Amino acid sequence: AQSVTQLGSHVSVSEGALVLLRCNYSSSVPPYLFWYVQYPNQGLQLLLKYTSAATLVKGINGFEAEFKKSETSFHLTKPSAHMSDAAEYFCAVRERDDKIIFGKGTRLHILP
Amino acid sequence: EPEVTQTPSHQVTQMGQEVILRCVPISNHLYFYWYRQILGQKVEFLVSFYNNEISEKSEIFDDQFSVERPDGSNFTLKIRSTKLEDSAMYFCASIRQAKEKLFFGSGTQLSVL
Repeated sequence: AQSVTQLGSHVSVSEGALVLLRCNYSSSVPPYLFWYVQYPNQGLQLLLKYTSAATLVKGINGFEAEFKKSETSFHLTKPSAHMSDAAEYFCAVRERDDKIIFGKGTRLHILP
Repeated sequence: EPEVTQTPSHQVTQMGQEVILRCVPISNHLYFYWYRQILGQKVEFLVSFYNNEISEKSEIFDDQFSVERPDGSNFTLKIRSTKLEDSAMYFCASIRQAKEKLFFGSGTQLSVL
């Protein structure tokens, strides 16, 4: 069965600093992995997805994530945080045409 | 970019009342989903729908819930007799094929009083 674990329900970084949001998954088959972002009072938007084409995936707004099979991880990074990055971030996993399973989310706070 | 549309954006209802949440998936999509997010918690899978039938449902999706695609464009979620704990943001989503990304609607905030 597939599952997702996000380490840290809240992460605070200073504006301009590196953003690192951690995600580990478990899956019985090579998974599809996703990061979604939810801005306040809005729905879910796809940031990026991994579908086995390349281990380093670039997404919107300067975010990227690296699939590491040996570590069963798919951490989200951004070199320089911006105030507008403050949001809830969800890691998600899907096996083939199965449903998506979401992690519990990480709230990213940007400090001025 | 095409969008999944959900209406209403916010619905308030009394406990025990029936509610219908409406979604218009992207027109050429084949797989449809409902998810919900209770305030402060993770996004939870409710049900998936393909080829005019439920393909999978979670434990949350009990007899009080039902889904329907009545006219080939709308995809509805009905809660027969709402409970306080049904208060949540409900997201509709659709995909065309399994490998493609899930498109989410902007959600319906359901408040049960």
